[in-house]
Amino acid sequence: SFELTQPPSVSVSPGQTASITCSGDKLGDKYVCWYQQKPGQSPVVVIYQDNNRPSGIPERFSGSNSGNTATLTISGSQAMDEADYYCQAWGSSTAVFGGGTKLTVL
Amino acid sequence: EVQLVASGGGLVQPGESLRLSCAASGFTFSSYWMSWVRQAPGKGLEWVANIKQDGSEKYYVDSVKGRFTISRDNAKNSLYLQMNSLRAEDTAVYYCAKLASSSWYWDYWGQGTLVTVSS
Repeated sequence: SFELTQPPSVSVSPGQTASITCSGDKLGDKYVCWYQQKPGQSPVVVIYQDNNRPSGIPERFSGSNSGNTATLTISGSQAMDEADYYCQAWGSSTAVFGGGTKLTVL
Repeated sequence: EVQLVASGGGLVQPGESLRLSCAASGFTFSSYWMSWVRQAPGKGLEWVANIKQDGSEKYYVDSVKGRFTISRDNAKNSLYLQMNSLRAEDTAVYYCAKLASSSWYWDYWGQGTLVTVSS
């Protein structure tokens, strides 16, 4: 099994760009998803297959994945983006989540 | 509208069993892989198990292998998680979730049901 490592916290000012990283061995060889979870709510996917946005997810959310690092980028961060973010990838039909990153917009 | 409603959580003692259920509606349940994902209080997400559309393939995280069993009843549009030999570290909110058909991400999640294992 593999591990995914995320920074515990990231802070960003409103309107600025937030980047959340997710690292793992040869992660670029796998597809990465990103989930947003607000307090008391179920997770919501914001990026799938590295850089695809589901319908209803704002364009300010984007993703990339290369080498050992995947990155979730939120351009023009808004107060409503404050949440926990989890990266996730698949290995041999089993799923692995990163430890999560708390994004603070202040 | 897709709905996943999990139920069956509660307080149990270590070593006891519990069966979680997830009632699905708003989509053709029998056409999709389904999963259980859990979250311990104040902690991150942890995938627990997957089951194929017809139940012929099941996968588990190592920590629950031999203790938990995922199953489904397509006639009842229901997903289940039988949890035996429960441990304190199994305490978590358990979410049922639907896997998108071709892209292997969870596109819908239930509201979660809390399982507390404590003496």
